Amino acid sequence: EPEVTQTPSHQVTQMGQEVILRCVPISNHLYFYWYRQILGQKVEFLVSFYNNEISEKSEIFDDQFSVERPDGSNFTLKIRSTKLEDSAMYFCASMVGTLKGTEAFFGQGTRLTVV
Amino acid sequence: AQSVAQPEDQVNVAEGNPLTVKCTYSVSGNPYLFWYVQYPNRGLQFLLKYITGDNLVKGSYGFEAEFNKSQTSFHLKKPSALVSDSALYFCAVRADQTGANNLFFGTGTRLTVIP
Repeated sequence: EPEVTQTPSHQVTQMGQEVILRCVPISNHLYFYWYRQILGQKVEFLVSFYNNEISEKSEIFDDQFSVERPDGSNFTLKIRSTKLEDSAMYFCASMVGTLKGTEAFFGQGTRLTVV
Repeated sequence: AQSVAQPEDQVNVAEGNPLTVKCTYSVSGNPYLFWYVQYPNRGLQFLLKYITGDNLVKGSYGFEAEFNKSQTSFHLKKPSALVSDSALYFCAVRADQTGANNLFFGTGTRLTVIP
């Protein structure tokens, strides 16, 4: 069964460093997302990406964040200068189409720890 | 604005008994409702969804959910709980608005099935 894969599973970084979280969405999917889940809190939307551009973003997704689909298969989230409060589980998701009733498929997550 | 409420942080049920995990939502227009399950150290796994039509929807692993428009609820149910159902369950909603494709999640309910 096709699945969304994320690497690495756990990343530890020092405050102020740049990190890149990587995702390989399901191959025929068109919509891509990043969500995050701070420990013990709800899953929060960060950004959606469609047709090689950002389609929506939340207030969390400020200038420190960027997304890219560099080669048609990978989908990356970059945090330029990490803060302690960026520590969270980051989930990538993809969706086959744009119909509202379509479910998104999630990866297993990358746990980011900023020290 | 969209929101989802899961009023119970924790639900305990004995193996073999029926289980209910509650969810209420608030959304402009028609809701698209989803349930996801998260096992330890895993990503979010799609369980079931409501788009339109029959208010009772059936999903994976014997789970079902009932959409109640007047009560704005979408409770997850299973007639007979298994120990392996123990996990974190998230309810999510997507708004029926042009361009709004992101999911809004509840805070999650931890289900523990006691042998």
